[in-house]
Amino acid sequence: EVQLVESGGGLVQPGGSLRLPCEASGFTFTNYWMNWVRQAPGKGPVWVSRINSDGSSATYADSVKGRFTISRDNAKNTLYLQMNSLRVDDTAVYYCAKVRGGTDYFDSWGQGTLVTVSA
Amino acid sequence: AVQLTQSPSSVSASVGDRVTVTCRTSQGISSALAWYQQKPGKPPKLLIYDASSLESGVPSRFSGGVSGTDFTLTIRSLQTEDSATYYCQESDGFSVTFGGGTKVEIK
Repeated sequence: EVQLVESGGGLVQPGGSLRLPCEASGFTFTNYWMNWVRQAPGKGPVWVSRINSDGSSATYADSVKGRFTISRDNAKNTLYLQMNSLRVDDTAVYYCAKVRGGTDYFDSWGQGTLVTVSA
Repeated sequence: AVQLTQSPSSVSASVGDRVTVTCRTSQGISSALAWYQQKPGKPPKLLIYDASSLESGVPSRFSGGVSGTDFTLTIRSLQTEDSATYYCQESDGFSVTFGGGTKVEIK
């Protein structure tokens, strides 16, 4: 059974940083591209970033480009999102999501971790 | 980036009714569109991919279709457990876009 477990969320002041890990199990992590998707309270999901299977290529939404960095450690089956220069509008539940092989459809999601950016 | 416009924003229907949700794209995206179901406090769940392919384990009362730039999600016979918000999603290979959502409620 695929399991994705995010952690690292919490309350941070504007301009601060957080690093979110997502531990993966139940599938061959190294075979899949991985993504981060966020959802602000009461709003729809918004894609944040994706990384390819070996970690050599990443893509970002314009809203986070230059501030967030996605990475992965395939030896530890763990995906990361380093978030710097956080803004109030980055407040959201952050989900890691596995793609359905070779596509950009998200067939498995973690339960999410809440990031609150507030003074 | 492609924009996805869902309609209606909400719908209330009775058990057994047929419910259709539409997702209109701002430009042609072939059939690379998915539908998700999300219940409160839970992550989205993949229902349909490639516009009309049913994800494994999803009840057959869910179906997807496409006509031009309009994609549809149909629930053939609405059940109480179908009360949720539904989102469409596409990718152009560079970025991923979600629709604004349709809340389906049971009368």
